[in-house]
Amino acid sequence: DVVMTQSPLSLPVTLGQPASISCRSSQSLVHSDGNTYLSWFLQRPGQSPRRLIHKVSNRGSGVPDRFSGSGSGTNFTLKISRVEAEDVGVFYCMQGTHWPYTFGQGTKLEIK
Amino acid sequence: EVQLVESGGGLVQPGGSLRLSCAASGFTFSTYWMHWVRQTPGKGLLWVSRISSDGRLTTSADSVKGRFTISRDNAKNTLYLQMNSLGADDTAVYYCAGGLGDYWGQGTLVTVSS
Repeated sequence: DVVMTQSPLSLPVTLGQPASISCRSSQSLVHSDGNTYLSWFLQRPGQSPRRLIHKVSNRGSGVPDRFSGSGSGTNFTLKISRVEAEDVGVFYCMQGTHWPYTFGQGTKLEIK
Repeated sequence: EVQLVESGGGLVQPGGSLRLSCAASGFTFSTYWMHWVRQTPGKGLLWVSRISSDGRLTTSADSVKGRFTISRDNAKNTLYLQMNSLGADDTAVYYCAGGLGDYWGQGTLVTVSS
């Protein structure tokens, strides 16, 4: 199985400051169809995961533009330009290229 | 508004069975691959099973292969997960998801315990 490794696992951030999460995969996430199926999810306390980013850098409908994704191959990054209170929760990267699809361990964002 | 509503979770004894259902609305269910994902505090999120939009292709994680069966009824906009030979390791919140996580249900808790 493809192992997804996130860092950091804990991310204390001051409101209004930027934040960045790294995600590395144990093998390339480039699919045979040419797409890279790397997604980012946010799971707020008590809620289901919500997809923020798909295919590395595409924001989902209604996702604020302070969230951006980048990367290629095996190295990916989620950036939040200015952290807001509603961003508190656990962020997960997920690969949908190789079955079984796999998630990272999660990065818990908290407000300092 | 897109909705995925899971049901069928509960307490079951080791070795028992459960059938989860997921009722979909607000999107064209029959065009989406559908999935079951489970979450535990210890092992995080695990993608359990997937099924093609027409129901012909299914794949399951090795940990549930031969015990869990995913199926769908496009006429009823409903996804199913038949879970047999349940063990303590299957205790989790089970989510149904549409597409590659485009849509998620609220989850249903399955507890395997005597």
